[in-house]
Amino acid sequence: DVKVTQSSRYLVKRTGEKVFLECVQDMDHENMFWYRQDPGLGLRLIYFSYDVKMKEKGDIPEGYSVSREKKERFSLILESASTNQTSMYLCASSAPGRSYEQYFGPGTRLTVT
Amino acid sequence: GENVEQHPSTLSVQEGDSAVIKCTYSDSASNYFPWYKQELGKRPQLIIDIRSNVGEKKDQRIAVTLNKTAKHFSLHITETQPEDSAVYFCAASKYDYKLSFGAGTTVTVRA
Repeated sequence: DVKVTQSSRYLVKRTGEKVFLECVQDMDHENMFWYRQDPGLGLRLIYFSYDVKMKEKGDIPEGYSVSREKKERFSLILESASTNQTSMYLCASSAPGRSYEQYFGPGTRLTVT
Repeated sequence: GENVEQHPSTLSVQEGDSAVIKCTYSDSASNYFPWYKQELGKRPQLIIDIRSNVGEKKDQRIAVTLNKTAKHFSLHITETQPEDSAVYFCAASKYDYKLSFGAGTTVTVRA
């Protein structure tokens, strides 16, 4: 059974702070993804990675960066948090050749004040 | 890039009735069309998917149809039950690339 975990369920940060969101999967998946979920906007892709040390921009990468030093871990970094980054952040992973079948983490509800 | 539009945004049905959600996509090269279900407070989960070489696929009470010419695909839920209440997302991708999701449909099944 695939398990994707995220470091925090709820997080409150102040404007301008550097924020780290971590995601870990235990199924040896090559592919990992970071989304943000906002009401009425669905799931929007921020960044994704197909291998260690590889990253590609998604649809809304501005204000974010990522790090993938190990296969099982994919981190999302908000360099200088802003109030418009208040959102639910979801991490996902998938096996190679099966990007349509993504396994999601429980999500992190980030509030930036 | 790919643009996926999903309708309706909300759907209320009487228990036992059918529910239909429709999506359109813009990139004719897209060839994978998964559907995800997200129950309240939970993570999205894949419930069914269809590939571009198939026109219809069924799994018990759910079915998906694909019209490649018109670039639209639909989710059909028959004999709806209270546990079908959730947000449903359609998505599209090509060549095992990233997924582009629709905005979601909130389905409420009335007892």
